[in-house]
Amino acid sequence: KNQVEQSPQSLIILEGKNCTLQCNYTVSPFSNLRWYKQDTGRGPVSLTIMTFSENTKSNGRYTATLDADTKQSSLHITASQLSDSASYICVVSPQNTGGFKTIFGAGTRLFVKA
Amino acid sequence: NAGVTQTPKFQVLKTGQSMTLQCAQDMNHNSMYWYRQDPGMGLRLIYYSASEGTTDKGEVPNGYNVSRLNKREFSLRLESAAPSQTSVYFCASSEQGLGTEAFFGQGTRLTVV
Repeated sequence: KNQVEQSPQSLIILEGKNCTLQCNYTVSPFSNLRWYKQDTGRGPVSLTIMTFSENTKSNGRYTATLDADTKQSSLHITASQLSDSASYICVVSPQNTGGFKTIFGAGTRLFVKA
Repeated sequence: NAGVTQTPKFQVLKTGQSMTLQCAQDMNHNSMYWYRQDPGMGLRLIYYSASEGTTDKGEVPNGYNVSRLNKREFSLRLESAAPSQTSVYFCASSEQGLGTEAFFGQGTRLTVV
């Protein structure tokens, strides 16, 4: 069964510190992998997208990496800010579903403290 | 820019009651989706509409029906609500499926008692 698993479930860091969130997936083959940010009480918002042939993608202080051989992706947040407190969700699109039936991880809940 | 608008934001239903969740997008997107989000789980696809006039089942369609009213609007109906349908429901839209970004509404928090 296609799965997307994220770790850790939750993380607390101090403002200004860096952190890395992990995503392991079994979806194969896949078309693309996205990271979303979901603020409390809001819908997810896309941060990055990578196809299976890309290794890294940046969006400001957010950098996503992809290792298709080990089926792992990570999201690195640099110089964290209080506004980074949110859930971060890894999403994989299987290649044979036209992109409609994407698979969502359960997310990592990040708390940034002053 | 409104983006994707869902109504209502909160709703409490009694078991057996029916209701319709409304969703509208103003981005001229072809595809629309309904998801539910439960604690400790990823978003799960209930139904989707690849284009106006079409609807298809997702991962968890039982107990729900949908209508793609026109290109802008995609509604989700619970005919006889059950406590297991207590969840946060998100509507999303995208230009089309593969590789295009999905934009989400703010969610509807539904409690069935």
